[in-house]
Amino acid sequence: EIVLTQSPGTLSLSPGEGATLSCRASQSVSDNYLAWFQQKPGQAPKLLIYGASNRATGIPDRFSGSGSGTDFTLTISSLEPEDFAVYYCQQYRDSPRTFGQGTKVGIK
Amino acid sequence: QLVQSGGGLVQPGESLRLSCAASGFTFRDYTFHWVRQAPGKGLQYVSTINNDGNYIYYADSVRGRFTISRDNSRNTLYLQMGSLRAEDMAVYYCAKSRSTGWDFVMNSWGQGTLVTVSS
Repeated sequence: EIVLTQSPGTLSLSPGEGATLSCRASQSVSDNYLAWFQQKPGQAPKLLIYGASNRATGIPDRFSGSGSGTDFTLTISSLEPEDFAVYYCQQYRDSPRTFGQGTKVGIK
Repeated sequence: QLVQSGGGLVQPGESLRLSCAASGFTFRDYTFHWVRQAPGKGLQYVSTINNDGNYIYYADSVRGRFTISRDNSRNTLYLQMGSLRAEDMAVYYCAKSRSTGWDFVMNSWGQGTLVTVSS
């Protein structure tokens, strides 16, 4: 099973600042089959990025994904008030399709 | 759109069936998944079924107790949960893959349904 480790656990930032979230895999994620999700309290997760760097439909371009192999990054260029949430990475290359433990982006 | 139903309170050892009714797309063309989230915890993968039901996968934690299925004539996905344990208590989400074919990107999600396991 591929274990995904996200860091940091919590980020405290102000609106307008940039955010860099990391996701490290215990083994290579072939074909960059890695996705990022955003989840707000009481809501279902929302797909942001798939294939490590492809934005899902309707996702603003301040969200970008990068990386390959075992190291992946989600970057939010300038935080909007609605971006404060928990973010999860997920690999969908191998079964089981595992999630990271999440990074909370909170308001400083 | 994915609309979930079937959650509730059950005692340990009991069974429960979750449903996920789909609309607005050709249900039979897509792979579906179940994902759960224990209170205050992260997302946990549960199960996947492909478009015709010939590919099914379960997480180790539920294999042998849970059964995923679909009725393409009713546009509905199911999760039959048996021998429920306290650690199965969670909000359960159904999710649809982004595109047809061999695609496991979870693009659209149901609203979630809470399963409480307690005596």
